[in-house]
Amino acid sequence: QQQVKQSPQSLIVQKGGISIINCAYENTAFDYFPWYQQFPGKGPALLIAIRPDVSEKKEGRFTISFNKSAKQFSLHIMDSQPGDSATYFCAASKNFGNEKLTFGTGTRLTIIP
Amino acid sequence: DTGVSQDPRHKITKRGQNVTFRCDPISEHNRLYWYRQTLGQGPEFLTYFQNEAQLEKSRLLSDRFSAERPKGSFSTLEIQRTEQGDSAMYLCASSSLKRTSGRQETQYFGPGTRLLVL
Repeated sequence: QQQVKQSPQSLIVQKGGISIINCAYENTAFDYFPWYQQFPGKGPALLIAIRPDVSEKKEGRFTISFNKSAKQFSLHIMDSQPGDSATYFCAASKNFGNEKLTFGTGTRLTIIP
Repeated sequence: DTGVSQDPRHKITKRGQNVTFRCDPISEHNRLYWYRQTLGQGPEFLTYFQNEAQLEKSRLLSDRFSAERPKGSFSTLEIQRTEQGDSAMYLCASSSLKRTSGRQETQYFGPGTRLLVL
């Protein structure tokens, strides 16, 4: 039972381009939506998170867009750099993040020169 | 400032053996989570503690798995009679639930323990 669906599975973007990763959730009780970045051999690290009372949140080159009615949210990475090459996971949680995280299946992002 | 640490980082064992992993959370974090991540998948929740109390266990956590957090500090995850299907990365995360606001900070993950069962 996959409660958070993530696409695409892999993504190749040219340096300087925009990387876009999409997620959709089913459980309307979810109210906290973080994105994590994971490099090989490392644990996931939080990039940016959003709550459903706002439609967009921006931190540096990273932006989350949130569509509550469609139950979808996406990560945009502007001016993508080779150092952004990693696996990205969306996640969702209930009770404003006070509970377990339910993760998507991940997107392997490769930034090419 | 030390993050979440896990030990060992790698473990190779034979099927049927018992293994134990340790997680040391960020100091003063009262919540501690265990997740399991298999190759090409996102982490899956196993269990979590608030202080020393184990508040939730996933159905993924069979009777062969047990977790403890004595004194509300470090935690251990033990797998008895390991099976090849237990091969995965075991991740620990910690966070702090603030009683005043009821808001939880970010879950910070450790580097994980990679288990290979032969």
